[in-house]
Amino acid sequence: DQQVKQNSPSLSVQEGRISILNCDYTNSMFDYFLWYKKYPAEGPTFLISISSIKDKNEDGRFTVFLNKSAKHLSLHIVPSQPGDSAVYFCAAFIRSGKSTFGDGTTLTVKP
Amino acid sequence: GAGVSQSPSNKVTEKGKDVELRCDPISGHTALYWYRQSLGQGLEFLIYFQGNSAPDKSGLPSDRFSAERTGGSVSTLTIQRTQQEDSAVYLCASSLGQSNTGELFFGEGSRLTVL
Repeated sequence: DQQVKQNSPSLSVQEGRISILNCDYTNSMFDYFLWYKKYPAEGPTFLISISSIKDKNEDGRFTVFLNKSAKHLSLHIVPSQPGDSAVYFCAAFIRSGKSTFGDGTTLTVKP
Repeated sequence: GAGVSQSPSNKVTEKGKDVELRCDPISGHTALYWYRQSLGQGLEFLIYFQGNSAPDKSGLPSDRFSAERTGGSVSTLTIQRTQQEDSAVYLCASSLGQSNTGELFFGEGSRLTVL
């Protein structure tokens, strides 16, 4: 049972436009949701997170939205830049347990 | 250094040999994870250590895989009798554990190639 799902394996957008990456989850007990970014030959790095009691968190060009009723979260990148091209992983965390990751979405931002 | 350190960064081995991968987490981090990423795949959870609790081994794919964490710090992932399907990047991550927001700090990974 995959508790965190990223249904789009890839996304391509034009530089300057909005990138929207989606993630669905099944466990309503998750305390935090996180997005990580991964470049080739590097480990993932933390990007932004949101508490389960919030519905939005913004950090510069990155905004994460959480819809608890739909068990859905999304990462918005505005404006998208070529340097944003990477694999983005959605993760969910339970304080009493561990982090669970989705399979990732490869974002390509075209100049 | 201040980050998660993994060694070796690259390992090429022959099928049937044993390998050991090492992870040195960030000092003070009580939680340690091992994941692997096969070519074109996502992050596959392997094992999770949290403080002195029994590790969560639910992700280990077979009994050829084992891991230990000595003194609550350094961890070693051992793969016995390696197979070609074990070829992947093995990623280690650490975090502050249960009293935080879940942010993981990853090492750069150990790339294992089994010939």
